[in-house]
Amino acid sequence: EVQLVESGGDLVQPGGSLRLSCAASGFTFSTYSMNWVRQAPGKGLEWISYISSSSSAIKYADSVKGRFTISRDNAKNSLYLQMNSLRDEDTAVYYCASPLVGVTTVGTTFGYWGQGTLVTVSS
Amino acid sequence: EIVLTQSPATLSLSPGERATLSCRASQSVSNYLAWYQQKPGQAPRLLIYDASNRATGIPARFSGSGSGTDFTLTISSLEPEDFALYYCQQRSNWPPLTFGGGTKVEIK
Repeated sequence: EVQLVESGGDLVQPGGSLRLSCAASGFTFSTYSMNWVRQAPGKGLEWISYISSSSSAIKYADSVKGRFTISRDNAKNSLYLQMNSLRDEDTAVYYCASPLVGVTTVGTTFGYWGQGTLVTVSS
Repeated sequence: EIVLTQSPATLSLSPGERATLSCRASQSVSNYLAWYQQKPGQAPRLLIYDASNRATGIPARFSGSGSGTDFTLTISSLEPEDFALYYCQQRSNWPPLTFGGGTKVEIK
C-alpha cells in the first residue's frame, strides 16, 4: 500500500524558514518523480514543485522560485521542501504527491497524496 | 500558463441524479487532463487521468471525456459519498502544472 506521510509544518514568522519532509513507503520510491502541492485555507490547489526520480530535473512555480528548494533522499525514501523567506501568502496545507504508482510513471498526474502538513506564516 | 476554468462553481443535485462537470482550458492540453475529488479535511483523490482513464479503485459511475480544450466529468448516478469538491488539472504545458478553481457538488 502506497503511503505518504508529511511532517514539519509549524507556525513561523514572516521571513522565517521551515523544512518539510515526506516519508514514502509501499513502492519503489527511487524510481518515481515526486511533487509538492499546497492549498491555502478555503482555497484551491496550487502545484509548487516537481523533482524527477534521480533529482536531475527540478521545477518550481513562479510563486516559490528562489525561495523554496525541493530535494529527495532515495536511500531514506524521503522527499523534502526547504522553505525560506516565508510570506503570509505561503500559509497553506502542503501535500506531497506521487504518480499513480503501478499504473503510470507519469510524474505530473498526482496518483497518491499524503494527509498534508499545515504551515502558518504569521507574526 | 494554461488556465483551467471549471463550471459551474456549484452544482446542486439530489442522490441518484446525473452530474455533469465542465473544465475548459485556455489552450489545447490534448488529453493530458486529470480530475480529482476532495472532501472536507481530506487530501484530494485522483479519479480520472488522461481525460478518460479511471484511476485504481474508482467506481464505474465516474467517467471522463473530452480533448483539446473542453472536458467533462460525469457522475452517472450520485451516491451520498460523491458530494464533494472536484478539481481538474492539466499536465500538457508546464511548468506550471495548473488546476481549475473547482466545482462543488452539493446536496439539493
